[in-house]
Amino acid sequence: DVQMTQSPSTLSASVGDRVTITCRANQTISSWLAWYQQRPGKAPKLLIYKASNLESGVPSRFSGTGSGTEFTLTISSLQPDDFATYYCQQYNNYPYTFGQGTKLEIK
Amino acid sequence: QVQLQESGPGLVKPSQTLSLTCTVSGGSISSVDYFWTWMRQHPGKGLEWIGYIYYTGSTYYNPSLKSRVTISVDTSKNQFSLKLNSVTAADTAVYYCGRYNSSGYCDYWGQGTLVTVSS
Repeated sequence: DVQMTQSPSTLSASVGDRVTITCRANQTISSWLAWYQQRPGKAPKLLIYKASNLESGVPSRFSGTGSGTEFTLTISSLQPDDFATYYCQQYNNYPYTFGQGTKLEIK
Repeated sequence: QVQLQESGPGLVKPSQTLSLTCTVSGGSISSVDYFWTWMRQHPGKGLEWIGYIYYTGSTYYNPSLKSRVTISVDTSKNQFSLKLNSVTAADTAVYYCGRYNSSGYCDYWGQGTLVTVSS
């Protein structure tokens, strides 16, 4: 299986901050990477697909970059709704696999 | 607007079979563009991909669970189902159904249902 590793596991930040979450794959996955946001008690929500494509309806403060084995999710100016857990998921190889998650907390 | 809704028992005894159904509304499960997936999330943990089914009945199962998993589809009811047999406490999790785009990402999720394995 492709192992996905996110860093950091927890990130403390304030409203208005710019934050970046990293996701690394243990083998190349081209650009076949998605990012999801999960609020407590809710299902994940798709934010980004194919590494850098913003899902319809997702605010433009979210952006994704990367290819190969290293990817980033950036939130340009944190809003109160953004404090949640974020997961990356590769879809280059079966079984599709997720990172362990990054919890974004209010500082 | 596509919606997915999981249903099934919230409590299953050890060694028995976990059975869940996902009902799809607002779209056809027979679309050639999507495949229908089960995932789970252990309490306080990350997400695990269980497997998928295409409307034709073609399936893929995660090798880690393959010996215990069956996913089926009922196109007449716009539903697909998960059976996981010989469950243990390690199978306690929130189970999600999802619609995966043919590219490979999940654009619609069910709300999730907690299944607890306990006697």
